[in-house]
Amino acid sequence: DAEITQSPRHKITETGRQVTLACHQTWNHNNMFWYRQDLGHGLRLIHYSYGVQDTNKGEVSDGYSVSRSNTEDLPLTLESAASSQTSVYFCASSERGQLSTEAFFGQGTRLTVV
Amino acid sequence: QKEVEQDPGPLSVPEGAIVSLNCTYSNSAFQYFMWYRQYSRKGPELLMYTYSSGNKEDGRFTAQVDKSSKYISLFIRDSQPSDSATYLCAMSGNDMRFGAGTRLTVKP
Repeated sequence: DAEITQSPRHKITETGRQVTLACHQTWNHNNMFWYRQDLGHGLRLIHYSYGVQDTNKGEVSDGYSVSRSNTEDLPLTLESAASSQTSVYFCASSERGQLSTEAFFGQGTRLTVV
Repeated sequence: QKEVEQDPGPLSVPEGAIVSLNCTYSNSAFQYFMWYRQYSRKGPELLMYTYSSGNKEDGRFTAQVDKSSKYISLFIRDSQPSDSATYLCAMSGNDMRFGAGTRLTVKP
């Protein structure tokens, strides 16, 4: 069965370190998204991609970067981790064009920056 | 002002009650309207989606969209303890935006 997987599931890192969260989907979806989820804010879009070599900033992109070298993967990099980036991160993918409907989510990565 | 507003609750109801969850939005470019359900420590999963104004029913769940008022609702009939979860509204145009989520508890 097709799926979307995130790794690691849990990560503790120190302030200032570079961290990369992995996202891999086997749906063959063009669209991939990264969200962070914080209490009181719900899911906020960090970056998204509509295909290979395409990346776009979301509403909370500062301090994060992504690259899309193939259809299956969209890794999220925190350039210099900050305590404000402690959060649960979700990767998602969807099939359709720019009008996204059903998005399939990974299980999430719980990141703690100390 | 957030593009999508959703009361975070929490909301607690007895088993069998009718639950009403709501969201408002400000961006007229949104064309698809969705409800996701998220169980604790899991990723969200799509519950229902609709494109046009009006009602869409799926079993005990009814999604309602009023584009003129920029208001969407999810109704759950005969609520069950297994419905206890966080419900997030979502809307998409060029990308997808989510509400903050409403935490629902259905007590036996």
